[in-house]
Amino acid sequence: DSGVTQTPKHLITATGQRVTLRCSPRSGDLSVYWYQQSLDQGLQFLIQYYNGEERAKGNILERFSAQQFPDLHSELNLSSLELGDSALYFCASSVTGGFNQPQHFGDGTRLSIL
Amino acid sequence: SQQGEEDPQALSIQEGENATMNCSYKTSINNLQWYRQNSGRGLVHLILIRSNEREKHSGRLRVTLDTSKKSSSLLITASRAADTASYFCATVMSGAGSYQLTFGKGTKLSVIP
Repeated sequence: DSGVTQTPKHLITATGQRVTLRCSPRSGDLSVYWYQQSLDQGLQFLIQYYNGEERAKGNILERFSAQQFPDLHSELNLSSLELGDSALYFCASSVTGGFNQPQHFGDGTRLSIL
Repeated sequence: SQQGEEDPQALSIQEGENATMNCSYKTSINNLQWYRQNSGRGLVHLILIRSNEREKHSGRLRVTLDTSKKSSSLLITASRAADTASYFCATVMSGAGSYQLTFGKGTKLSVIP
């Protein structure tokens, strides 16, 4: 058990809809990362937060947004969903987001767009 | 975009044999990390090797790093059925303003009992 909790585990919705994925980082970790894993693109970094502030952006679409709250949990919002957004979405956390720190991953949210 | 590329894409071995996976990357790095992913689960951090290190061990795992060739290898000795998983290398690029991981596409390891 990594200590990172993601909810929900599975999400099935339709094109055009909006969903929110939630992540609680490991106790004591201040930095949260979001990744998307799909068969064709592999694991892609989306965005990183540190102590409530956005630190880095990767391949995140404009239809996607995220935030980290004062209690350090994070939410990833996906809107105007398309079939191609079907993927596994992972949250990871690390202590301070420093480059020599391992990241601890949750078990992901599997998003299926019908 | 993929920074690391693992080789082979898939590997099937008998229990007790050693498994070697390779990773190549394109740009200068701060460190390289290996992760394991069991089917349908999140990634588990295995080992981190810094750019100034050449070899690192953790239990049955041995990782080497050759920055001149921009490559790394992961050796799992005396494999077990429980080692069946996908293995990913991930790099943290040097000079980057932030330290996100850039993953390869992984090696799928099957250990046959």
